[in-house]
Amino acid sequence: GAGVSQSPSNKVTEKGKDVELRCDPISGHTALYWYRQSLGQGLEFLIYFQGNSAPDKSGLPSDRFSAERTGGSVSTLTIQRTQQEDSAVYLCASSLAAGPNYGYTFGSGTRLTVV
Amino acid sequence: AQSVTQPDIHITVSEGASLELRCNYSYGATPYLFWYVQSPGQGLQLLLKYFSGDTLVQGIKGFEAEFKRSQSSFNLRKPSVHWSDAAEYFCAVGPTGKLIFGQGTTLQVKP
Repeated sequence: GAGVSQSPSNKVTEKGKDVELRCDPISGHTALYWYRQSLGQGLEFLIYFQGNSAPDKSGLPSDRFSAERTGGSVSTLTIQRTQQEDSAVYLCASSLAAGPNYGYTFGSGTRLTVV
Repeated sequence: AQSVTQPDIHITVSEGASLELRCNYSYGATPYLFWYVQSPGQGLQLLLKYFSGDTLVQGIKGFEAEFKRSQSSFNLRKPSVHWSDAAEYFCAVGPTGKLIFGQGTTLQVKP
């Protein structure tokens, strides 16, 4: 597609439930990133995928968070047993390859509210 | 550890006035530096980036930024702000795949 697409745009879930957030990167982009944007906290790196390499999971805040990328394209971020502190905007970005020469294109995000 | 500090959480300027948003970074090697803008309900858009060479870089929408190694700073400037510039601005650093972002500065523009 023309841009990075994220779905759903908004998600309200009850505490303790699992949620899945989806990211469709730009076609041909081999690198994909997930960030979390909490109120007043800036963007917090979560995980990134580069081609067939093992993902860099160093930013995942707990083992309740996981992500996968199928076929080198679509990615799903899963949060299990959601907590209120998980409420945030989850942003996905993709780039042609990993590295500073390649600009990120961000999606519009998924706003997650845990009640 | 790598980090980015944006000391100003919120800035208000009058339309037509000049603007400077501050960014300080901590990085052990030559930094790659970026400024992004996020308008309400939108994704982040790249304004400009610095990799090497001329320390004054020009970006889109009339923005520029100056890299000062001695001060570990990469401040964003615009000579005359427009009402449409009201948004949140993020500074970021990183040579590798993942960028480290600052907490952001919210810009409000007064008519």
